[in-house]
Amino acid sequence: QSALTQPPSASGSPGQSVTISCTGTSSDIGGYNLVSWYQQHPGKAPKLMISEVTKRPSGVPDRFSGSRSGNTASLTVSGLQAEDEADYYCSSAAGNSVVFGGGTKLTVL
Amino acid sequence: EVQLLESGGGLVQPGGSLRLSCAASGFTFSTYGMNWVRQAPGKGLEWLSVIGNAYNTHTTYYAASVKGRFTISRDDSRNTLSLQMSSLRADDTALYYCVRGGNSWRTFDYWGQGILVTVSS
Repeated sequence: QSALTQPPSASGSPGQSVTISCTGTSSDIGGYNLVSWYQQHPGKAPKLMISEVTKRPSGVPDRFSGSRSGNTASLTVSGLQAEDEADYYCSSAAGNSVVFGGGTKLTVL
Repeated sequence: EVQLLESGGGLVQPGGSLRLSCAASGFTFSTYGMNWVRQAPGKGLEWLSVIGNAYNTHTTYYAASVKGRFTISRDDSRNTLSLQMSSLRADDTALYYCVRGGNSWRTFDYWGQGILVTVSS
């Protein structure tokens, strides 16, 4: 399975909104409601931010939202805050496996 | 509180073997699928393997990159997940995470802190 495609970087100023895309195929993103997004700060383990395309786990701020259109999923961070600066990874079910995106480094200007 | 604590990492020569363990606590271990995910230095995440819960008879799946070389197992009586790694290569060098599957085993809701495996002569 090929990795999902994410932009290597994204940025925004505090208070702005930023959207990170994640492009796959009908064999992964387009075929399963099992798209997730993870946040990883330097030196830390990843943290689940969005599951099943749009669901926000308990404790995740509602500034984070997920969506999907066809074979592309998106993570939107609204009202950017300094602590949102991190790497973000998407993942999707792909048959009996899981495929990740290459990651996007989000910079808060 | 869910806790996942990996152990067993270290330096190993190419072609060698290593066994990773993960001690789980804070949840009913037997009812969750458990995964291993790795991250090479400065690189992204790579899913490696899953072992299902007791309800699906501990079904296992592997990524193509490790199939035939790595074996995942679990001991529900000891709340322990393991990964037996053999025929190790330099590109297996990575931080290895023990990860709990959430509502679906393909959603990773809790992660350990990771254990470093370095394959080098």
